[in-house]
Amino acid sequence: NAGVTQTPKFRVLKTGQSMTLLCAQDMNHEYMYWYRQDPGMGLRLIHYSVGEGTTAKGEVPDGYNVSRLKKQNFLLGLESAAPSQTSVYFCASRVDRFYEQYFGPGTRLTVT
Amino acid sequence: LAKTTQPISMDSYEGQEVNITCSHNNIATNDYITWYQQFPSQGPRFIIQGYKTKVTNEVASLFIPADRKSSTLSLPRVSLSDTAVYYCLVGGGTNAGKSTFGDGTTLTVKP
Repeated sequence: NAGVTQTPKFRVLKTGQSMTLLCAQDMNHEYMYWYRQDPGMGLRLIHYSVGEGTTAKGEVPDGYNVSRLKKQNFLLGLESAAPSQTSVYFCASRVDRFYEQYFGPGTRLTVT
Repeated sequence: LAKTTQPISMDSYEGQEVNITCSHNNIATNDYITWYQQFPSQGPRFIIQGYKTKVTNEVASLFIPADRKSSTLSLPRVSLSDTAVYYCLVGGGTNAGKSTFGDGTTLTVKP
C-alpha cells in the first residue's frame, strides 16, 4: 500500500514550457486535491475532485488545469509555466469529506 | 470557507505540555476542525479531528468550546521530534471537503 505518490519529485522548467504532474493513490479514495505551498506559507488549494470524471476550482486555479480520468489518478497541468508558479505542489486524497486527507511527498517545481 | 488564526510561532522544552490555540469565528454548522503536522520537505500529516467538546487519541487532545469559535490542540510531553509546523483547518462538512490552510504555527522544542 503506497498511499499517495507524486511524479516527478523535482522539475525545472523555462518560462512558457508546459508540464503535467501526476498524483496517484491506491486507497480507493473518492476525493483528491492539488495544493501549492510557497516558502513560509500554508497550503493553498488549486483544484479538487470529488470523484472520477469530476473537477472543480479551488482558491488559486489560474494557470492550471486538471483531469481525473481514472479514480486513482489526478493530473495537474501547467500549459505555459511562469516564474510565479515556482512552488512545492502537494496532492492529497481522502475517503470522503468527513475524513482526514492523506498527502503525497510533494513536487518541487522551479520556473526560470 | 472559514478563516483560521493561529500564533505564528511557539517555543517549548522537552517534556512540557504544549497548547496551540486556533481562532475560527466564522465556522459553519457542518464544519469539522482538523489539525495537521508538517515537517520540512514533507506533506502534512493528520493529527486529530473533532466537531465539539474533547477528542483524544494516542498523540494529542483537541478541546473545542461550546461556541466552536476556537479550538486548542494539546500535545502532552513534547520531544525534539515534535518540532514542526502545525495547521488548524476548518471545513469538510460542506463544499466538497474544501478547507483553508492558514500559515500555521511553528513549534520549536528545545532540549
